[in-house]
Amino acid sequence: GAVVSQHPSWVICKSGTSVKIECRSLDFQATTMFWYRQFPKQSLMLMATSNEGSKATYEQGVEKDKFLINHASLTLSTLTVTSAHPEDSSFYICTPADSFRNTEAFFGQGTRLTVV
Amino acid sequence: AQKITQTQPGMFVQEKEAVTLDCTYDTSDQSYGLFWYKQPSSGEMIFLIYQGSYDEQNATEGRYSLNFQKARKSANLVISASQLGDSAMYFCAMRERQTGANNLFFGTGTRLTVIP
Repeated sequence: GAVVSQHPSWVICKSGTSVKIECRSLDFQATTMFWYRQFPKQSLMLMATSNEGSKATYEQGVEKDKFLINHASLTLSTLTVTSAHPEDSSFYICTPADSFRNTEAFFGQGTRLTVV
Repeated sequence: AQKITQTQPGMFVQEKEAVTLDCTYDTSDQSYGLFWYKQPSSGEMIFLIYQGSYDEQNATEGRYSLNFQKARKSANLVISASQLGDSAMYFCAMRERQTGANNLFFGTGTRLTVIP
């Protein structure tokens, strides 16, 4: 199956700092990456869709200036949480659209962000 | 309207017994895919099983089977011979192939606890 590597797996940061999360597709080219967010005891909600070489599209209610997405290559997409606040504490997880092969869809390992 | 509905917040099952996790969906697309994922406490999303809307046979993967009833728009997951390691959150998800969004919509999940 497709291999997706996401780092870091967990991070604790101080309020007001920025955190970068990386998502790499290791064995195929990912022209599109989906970023999901999962608050405690809730489901996964799509935050944004990044496309290689172009601007990301954000779901309603997601601040594009706070959650910066860069998809500069076919194997790497990054999500930067800028000026993080405690309410940004969540589980962030990525999945390349190209991993949506006929019968499977693979995710990164996820990043648990805690802002203190 | 919710695209994916999981009405069981929590389920208990005795070890070695079978359990059914419910999932209903809502779509106007004729072509779509249904997925089930297992999420242990580590947070990773483990792909379990897939059912395509045009598949005439119910999908099976080892101890997992999907009871697909298209007319009722239901895609229940059946886990046979439950094991203690099956305790986790389980998410049903759908991808609509015709609308072009390509992302997965998730239900709210069911927490399964296997009792020794």
